[in-house]
Amino acid sequence: AQSVTQLGSHVSVSEGALVLLRCNYSSSVPPYLFWYVQYPNQGLQLLLKYTTGATLVKGINGFEAEFKKSETSFHLTKPSAHMSDAAEYFCAVSDYGNYGGSQGNLIFGKGTKLSVKP
Amino acid sequence: NAGVTQTPKFQVLKTGQSMTLQCAQDMNHEYMSWYRQDPGMGLRLIHYSVGAGITDQGEVPNGYNVSRSTTEDFPLRLLSAAPSQTSVYFCASSPRTVTYEQYFGPGTRLTVT
Repeated sequence: AQSVTQLGSHVSVSEGALVLLRCNYSSSVPPYLFWYVQYPNQGLQLLLKYTTGATLVKGINGFEAEFKKSETSFHLTKPSAHMSDAAEYFCAVSDYGNYGGSQGNLIFGKGTKLSVKP
Repeated sequence: NAGVTQTPKFQVLKTGQSMTLQCAQDMNHEYMSWYRQDPGMGLRLIHYSVGAGITDQGEVPNGYNVSRSTTEDFPLRLLSAAPSQTSVYFCASSPRTVTYEQYFGPGTRLTVT
């Protein structure tokens, strides 16, 4: 069964510093991978996704993530943090891949709360 | 398009009461789902539906019922509320094609006393 592990429930960076949020997954089939962001008291918004093709994917707000099959990782990065990036970030894997019979459910990690210091 | 809408935004129930959380989407998506979010637990799937008339259980279905009579609506029923059901509930929908990305509603914050 698929699973997602996010390393670090809280990450704190200074404004202008590199943001790195870690995500490792396990999947018996080629996965579809997602990063979602949740601002306080709001729903989840899709940041970026990997399905097939280019392993470096770019998302909204300057974020990007790289799919590394050998490391089963999909880490999220942003070169320079902004105060508005403070939020909770969730990595998710779809149980659909190159395999029939899936329903398209998402399995979420437990989330990483990002704080940005001025 | 309104996207995914949820009502109510907030609700307080007493133990043993029942209620229905409403979810609607106007994107003609096949797939709809309900999650609960608890601190440090991420989002956990309660029930999902891959089309009108088809529902199935997720990871944490106990204490909840769903039905899907139309493509647009996917209500979640709490039969007899318990304090353990205090949580934030999110509804999501997906076109279930190509990438399977899901679109989320704004959530319902439920407190059971």
